Amino acid sequence: DVKVTQSSRYLVKRTGEKVFLECVQDMDHENMFWYRQDPGLGLRLIYFSYDVKMKEKGDIPEGYSVSREKKERFSLILESASTNQTSMYLCASNRLARTDTQYFGPGTRLTVL
Amino acid sequence: DQQVKQNSPSLSVQEGRISILNCDYTNSMFDYFLWYKKYPAEGPTFLISISSIKDKNEDGRFTVFLNKSAKHLSLHIVPSQPGDSAVYFCAAKTSGSRLTFGEGTQLTVNP
Repeated sequence: DVKVTQSSRYLVKRTGEKVFLECVQDMDHENMFWYRQDPGLGLRLIYFSYDVKMKEKGDIPEGYSVSREKKERFSLILESASTNQTSMYLCASNRLARTDTQYFGPGTRLTVL
Repeated sequence: DQQVKQNSPSLSVQEGRISILNCDYTNSMFDYFLWYKKYPAEGPTFLISISSIKDKNEDGRFTVFLNKSAKHLSLHIVPSQPGDSAVYFCAAKTSGSRLTFGEGTQLTVNP
């Protein structure tokens, strides 16, 4: 079974703090993704990566950066957290095959005070 | 702009009846469509998919229908069970790996 794990289930941070969200997958998937989920807005893609050290902006990259130093690990960084970044953050991964579905982690509920 | 739209934020049905969840899209380049199911405090899990060369795909109680001319797809669940209560997201992709998701529909199946 594919396993995607995220470093924290719940996180509370203060405005202006630097925040790291980590994601690890164990299936040697090439692609990894970071989404945020907000009520009424669905899942919106922040960044994705198709290989080590490669990244592409998604639909809402502002205020975020990412890092992929190893194939199995994809980090999302909030350089200076703001209250409008309070959200559910979901990591996903899949193979490069065109129809391969994405496998999601359990999510991190981030609250920025 | 919202390229994938689920116009019903919520749907409530009785156990044993049919649940029909709808999804509309605007991008004619989408050629593969998926439905994901999400329980609270869990990540979405893949449910069923359909390629644009088909108009129907069935997997047990779940059937997805695709109407390309109307740019519309629907998910039918028959019979509905209380354990099906979850948020359902429809998603679409073009030639790349990116998925575009709809807003989600909260399905509640009442015993």
